[in-house]
Amino acid sequence: GAVVSQHPSRVICKSGTSVKIECRSLDFQATTMFWYRQFPKQSLMLMATSNEGSKATYEQGVEKDKFLINHASLTLSTLTVTSAHPEDSSFYICSVPETYSTDTQYFGPGTRLTVL
Amino acid sequence: TQLLEQSPQFLSIQEGENLTVYCNSSSVFSSLQWYRQEPGEGPVLLVTVVTGGEVKKLKRLTFQFGDARKDSSLHITAAQPGDTGLYLCAGVNNDMRFGAGTRLTVKP
Repeated sequence: GAVVSQHPSRVICKSGTSVKIECRSLDFQATTMFWYRQFPKQSLMLMATSNEGSKATYEQGVEKDKFLINHASLTLSTLTVTSAHPEDSSFYICSVPETYSTDTQYFGPGTRLTVL
Repeated sequence: TQLLEQSPQFLSIQEGENLTVYCNSSSVFSSLQWYRQEPGEGPVLLVTVVTGGEVKKLKRLTFQFGDARKDSSLHITAAQPGDTGLYLCAGVNNDMRFGAGTRLTVKP
């Protein structure tokens, strides 16, 4: 299967700072990537769909100005958590769908964000 | 409100026991997937079921898709400690929506 990497795997930051998380598709080009958030002992919640060359599509209740998504190339999407607060602490996971089908998605290993 | 309801939420059993995890929804899905997730890692796909009534087996794991394509079950036979993890179902239409998960602990 495809390999998806995320960087960093863990990050601790102070409240008010911004944090950038990278998601890379290592095996194939992806015009679309998905960003999920997972709180402790909870399931994955889709935050937004990252679209190469155009604006991301955000799920209801997700602040687009707080969670900035940039999909600048066919292999890289970034999620920037701006002015992070402790309630933003979570496990952020990206996924890359198989070409021509969103039924199969390859998930990254996740990024654990802790905001102090 | 969760689109997909999973039950039970938590399950702790002894090695060798059998178990069934359920995934229910009022929505019809074009396909349904089961994932297993270890702490601190992304979910790993176990199986995709597409046809109503479909049954798929993966060693000791048996997956079934409901006839109406609204629900699914995962049955594990003779559970082992290595089966411990979070099991997630995900319904697929134009996007993918996850259930809350079942956290399974298998004690040796």
